[in-house]
Amino acid sequence: AQSVTQPDIHITVSEGASLELRCNYSYGATPYLFWYVQSPGQGLQLLLKYFSGDTLVQGIKGFEAEFKRSQSSFNLRKPSVHWSDAAEYFCALEYGGATNKLIFGTGTLLAVQP
Amino acid sequence: GAVVSQHPSRVICKSGTSVKIECRSLDFQATTMFWYRQFPKQSLMLMATSNEGSKATYEQGVEKDKFLINHASLTLSTLTVTSAHPEDSSFYICSVSDYGYTFGSGTRLTVV
Repeated sequence: AQSVTQPDIHITVSEGASLELRCNYSYGATPYLFWYVQSPGQGLQLLLKYFSGDTLVQGIKGFEAEFKRSQSSFNLRKPSVHWSDAAEYFCALEYGGATNKLIFGTGTLLAVQP
Repeated sequence: GAVVSQHPSRVICKSGTSVKIECRSLDFQATTMFWYRQFPKQSLMLMATSNEGSKATYEQGVEKDKFLINHASLTLSTLTVTSAHPEDSSFYICSVSDYGYTFGSGTRLTVV
């Protein structure tokens, strides 16, 4: 069965430092992968997605993610974190059937220290 | 992607009453929408897939008689929580299957 794992529940980084959020997936076919960000009490905003092609995907707000099939990973990175990046980040996998659906990881809460 | 509007953003209802949540796709004809539930500090759990003009498909363990979904047009899907109880208090989010998935801003339901 398909699954998404985000090993880090909570991460704290200093403003200006680099960031990497981990995401591992399990799926028997070619994965379509997403990263979303959620601010408190809000819906989800798409940061980036990977369907095929270049394994390094650029997204909004200076984020990027790299798809590594050999490691079943899709880690999110940002070279310099801003205080406004503090939020919850979700990795998601699209899986198929009668209708394609998303399954989410458990999320990583990012705190940014001044 | 689509612009998705979800209403209301917050609702408080008394135990035993019903509450309706609307999800509108403002600029995209959405044949498929999804409804999720999110408990505090937890991930999103898919409740059901809403298909325009047909019955919704519910995930295992979701009570279809409690969570009524109607997708009568390409721009509107509604979720009605019937006979709500405090344990139904949660954050409900809809999404539209467009060129990916676009989410509404969510509805905080509190049942007292």
